[in-house]
This record gives sequence, C-alpha cells and structure tokens, in this order.
Amino acid sequence: QVQLVESGGGLVKPGGSLRLSCAASGFTFSDYYMSWIRQAPGKGLEWVSYISGSGSTINYADSVKGRFTISRDNAKHSLYLQMNSLRAEDTAIYYCARALYSGYDYWFDPWGQGTLVTVSS
Amino acid sequence: QSVLTQPPSVSGAPGQRVTISCTGSSSNIGAVYDVHWYQQLPGTAPKLLIYAKNNRPSGVPDRFSGSKSGTSASLAITGLQAEDEADYYCQSYDSSLSGVVFGGGTKLTVL
Repeated sequence: QVQLVESGGGLVKPGGSLRLSCAASGFTFSDYYMSWIRQAPGKGLEWVSYISGSGSTINYADSVKGRFTISRDNAKHSLYLQMNSLRAEDTAIYYCARALYSGYDYWFDPWGQGTLVTVSS
Repeated sequence: QSVLTQPPSVSGAPGQRVTISCTGSSSNIGAVYDVHWYQQLPGTAPKLLIYAKNNRPSGVPDRFSGSKSGTSASLAITGLQAEDEADYYCQSYDSSLSGVVFGGGTKLTVL
C-alpha cells in the first residue's frame, strides 16, 4: 500500500537549520508531484511547497520562500525539505503528501504521519 | 487569516445532516480551480475526503458529498455518526498567490 514516512524533526534554535526527509513506498514515486504541508500546534493546515516528479517544477508559499528548499531523489524514493533561517513561527508538524495534479489543480493523498519541528531558544 | 473562510464549528445530532461552507474569491474557488476536502480525526494526519468537487476516494462513504457554486463550496454529511467528529478542511488553488490554499478548518461536534 502507499506509505509516506517523515523523519528529521526536532528542536532547533531560531536562525538554525533542519532537513526533513520523507520515505515513500507502494507507488511509482517519480510519476508524482510531492508536497510538504504544515500545521502549527492547535492551528489549521498551511501548504509549504510542492515539486514535480522530475523536479523541474517547484513552488513555495511566500512565508518560506528564500529560506526553505524542496528536493527529491527518485532513485531513493525520497522527498526532502531543507529549512534554513528558522523562526518561532515555523514551529509545526510537517506532513509529507503525494500531490495529485489535474492541470489546474492539486490535491493531496495520502499524507504521512508528520514530524514535529520546534523552533525555540 | 486563511484565504478560504470556513465556520470555526458546526454540530449535529446522530442521523442528522450537516453542511460546512467554504468561501473564497474569484482567484480561487470562483475561478477554474476545484475544491477538495480533508478530514482530520483527533491526533491523526489529514485524510482526503472529497476531491475535484464531488469525487470520493475508495473507502469514503457516500454520506459525504461536495458541491461548488460561484465563489463558495460546501461539504455535506448525511446520517451523522459519532465517528464523524473531526476537523474538516477545504483546499483549492489561488491564481493571485500562485499557490495552494486551505480553509481555516471547521470542528464538527456530534451531539
């Protein structure tokens, strides 16, 4: 079955860096867009970034543009999120999700279990 | 402040029908973009409930349905059950922001 497993979360100081990973299985990874979506404690969902199957198309939310970098390794069936210059407001559970794309639209299925990133001194 | 507006909470008794609204604008729901819905049970990751207006992934009961009109969309749940108690989120794409947008979420309480 399709499975996504995130790792790499933890406690980091403001201004620090962290790299999240997402291991995918159960589907042809290179055929699909992938995305990161986050959820601050007790808050709603916020889309962070997506990347096409080949890696040629990438998009970021304005809140992370210039600080976060999404990438993928199709040979390893893995998705990554390099997070630099972290701020307290980046504290959230970060979910990896497979993105389904229809030309005008993106939606997400399935989602991983999430990894918690806490930015605090 | 979310680009898509949802009521913070709705409630209903078992067996009843409830609807959750999602209001957007001409750059998202009112444009060519579809609306998708997710269910998040307490302490778990979100799960896709409805995609592309009114399509259900395998395993989602037909008690759940979606609709879209103008700059708004709705999720309807009929025959409400205790296990439907969860947070529900709508999602679309916004051409002005050039990115994916979510509603703020609605907490459904089954009385």
